[in-house]
Amino acid sequence: GAGVSQSPSNKVTEKGKDVELRCDPISGHTALYWYRQSLGQGLEFLIYFQGNSAPDKSGLPSDRFSAERTGGSVSTLTIQRTQQEDSAVYLCASSLFPGSSYNSPLHFGNGTRLTVT
Amino acid sequence: RKEVEQDPGPFNVPEGATVAFNCTYSNSASQSFFWYRQDCRKEPKLLMSVYSSGNEDGRFTAQLNRASQYISLLIRDSKLSDSATYLCVVMASWGKLQFGAGTQVVVTP
Repeated sequence: GAGVSQSPSNKVTEKGKDVELRCDPISGHTALYWYRQSLGQGLEFLIYFQGNSAPDKSGLPSDRFSAERTGGSVSTLTIQRTQQEDSAVYLCASSLFPGSSYNSPLHFGNGTRLTVT
Repeated sequence: RKEVEQDPGPFNVPEGATVAFNCTYSNSASQSFFWYRQDCRKEPKLLMSVYSSGNEDGRFTAQLNRASQYISLLIRDSKLSDSATYLCVVMASWGKLQFGAGTQVVVTP
């Protein structure tokens, strides 16, 4: 079946512009995560959605970052007034149940590589 | 202090040898622990969960030490295909998964 789909795969934008990144999780997965990964760095947690519960936004680095998940499925991550330090690969992942277990691992998309010039 | 810390490596390992490395976590209330593997420029994939009693999956053995707040991964009989970055993942609060920065392993012929 289809995996996690992210678009665009690459995005180059000028400093100060707004960008929207899209994530289409695996059908039926209730949990959806956004991470970002800078070159040579680990994954930085951004936000976590679980069903209809309020999202855990504790990882969003500033109020320029926001995310929503419509209808418990597709999610968009919006970055306003982009800065050069926002350049990174933004990864989306989904899983069947909250957290991850051997039977419910995180499935990652291929990521969106964002470059802010 | 980072919530999840790992030795970045690289660990250079001759083919056939054993390599082991740890990951420490800061939140004593952490509930679940995992090892993920990430190949260069690829997305992470689950390698194995880490159970309290320790567990094995083929050549891979994971251990959890709650008292000292660390988990470990041991790879026996290393293969060239084991070369990757190994990411420690901790669930500190329900559903929120924190990744370490990863430990790079390079298996050499």
